[in-house]
Amino acid sequence: DQQVKQNSPSLSVQEGRISILNCDYTNSMFDYFLWYKKYPAEGPTFLISISSIKDKNEDGRFTVFLNKSAKHLSLHIVPSQPGDSAVYFCAARPGGSGSYQLTFGKGTKLSVIP
Amino acid sequence: DGGITQSPKYLFRKEGQNVTLSCEQNLNHDAMYWYRQDPGQGLRLIYYSQIVNDFQKGDIAEGYSVSREKKESFPLTVTSAQKNPTAFYLCASSLSDRAGEQYFGPGTRLTVT
Repeated sequence: DQQVKQNSPSLSVQEGRISILNCDYTNSMFDYFLWYKKYPAEGPTFLISISSIKDKNEDGRFTVFLNKSAKHLSLHIVPSQPGDSAVYFCAARPGGSGSYQLTFGKGTKLSVIP
Repeated sequence: DGGITQSPKYLFRKEGQNVTLSCEQNLNHDAMYWYRQDPGQGLRLIYYSQIVNDFQKGDIAEGYSVSREKKESFPLTVTSAQKNPTAFYLCASSLSDRAGEQYFGPGTRLTVT
């Protein structure tokens, strides 16, 4: 039973346009959400996160939106660049600072076309 | 400079042999983790450790063992009991109060034939 779902395995976007990656979750106990970026044969790198007390968090070209009622979050990349081509993983963890277990989605492969 | 190292990058073993994957960090992080990634799959948690000499099973601990004798080191042993050991293994660490933001090593690709 997948608690974090990324329903689009892949996405292609033209350079300069907006990339929107989506993620849905089912566990109501999740209260902290993260996005990681991964290049082939490398470890994921942390990109951006959002707490459930917020509905938006921005960091440069990256913005994460959280819709708690819909149990949905999305990552917007504007403008998209060829170097953004990678697999993006959505992850979530339950509340409490001592909660150590992240649950990951299966990832979405983003291809930014020059 | 600080980071997480995993060695080796590629590892080949014969079926029935135990193999130990190395993970070292110099970030002074209390918590460390082991994940497994299979093609088309997300990362699945094998074991994690919040402090030295303590560790907990993740979602897929069967066939694996770990130790945490030093803060910097969290080796993973893939035993012969693991039915499908061929995978990409990732080690990560985090501060104990920011357990969501995990820093990952480069990974070890294990192939068992």
